[in-house]
Amino acid sequence: DGGITQSPKYLFRKEGQNVTLSCEQNLNHDAMYWYRQDPGQGLRLIYYSQIVNDFQKGDIAEGYSVSREKKESFPLTVTSAQKNPTAFYLCASSIGLSTEAFFGQGTRLTVV
Amino acid sequence: GESVGLHLPTLSVQEGDNSIINCAYSNSASDYFIWYKQESGKGPQFIIDIRSNMDKRQGQRVTVLLNKTVKHLSLQIAATQPGDSAVYFCAENSDYKLSFGAGTTVTVRA
Repeated sequence: DGGITQSPKYLFRKEGQNVTLSCEQNLNHDAMYWYRQDPGQGLRLIYYSQIVNDFQKGDIAEGYSVSREKKESFPLTVTSAQKNPTAFYLCASSIGLSTEAFFGQGTRLTVV
Repeated sequence: GESVGLHLPTLSVQEGDNSIINCAYSNSASDYFIWYKQESGKGPQFIIDIRSNMDKRQGQRVTVLLNKTVKHLSLQIAATQPGDSAVYFCAENSDYKLSFGAGTTVTVRA
């Protein structure tokens, strides 16, 4: 089945550690996105990528980094520079930047 | 700040009634809008979309209305069912990015 997969579903890390969240899609989509969602809030854009080996900062990129070495993969690293990393992280993909985005099931990151 | 917002954070609806969820956007250059449904602990699911050259679009039990004059978007759900209980987000596309509002939590009463 085609889809977008995020792993793991739950992730716990100690404060000060970097952590990488996985996002893989087999939809052959060019565009991929990372969003952050806090309780009772909407989604805020962290990074997005229109094509392999290219990505742009979203609205809240500070403390995060990404790579896009393969079309199907867009991992997100939450660095120790992110002051409040505990959140629900959502990855999405779309055929292009102005089309419907399909979302993964999310990774809930808790930093203790 | 956010360019997309919903008028009401919560909506309680009797099962079988119609639901109307509203959304205001601020960027007049936005050309594409989507409604998503998010259930607890899951990623958002696509419901319906509409482009700025349209005023209305219908799907199965859902209708989206776009009023570009007042920059307003609405989602109508016909014959609301218990499975419709979720958080609903509108999203607008501008500058090649999808921006989301805070969402409306819909609760369906039996």
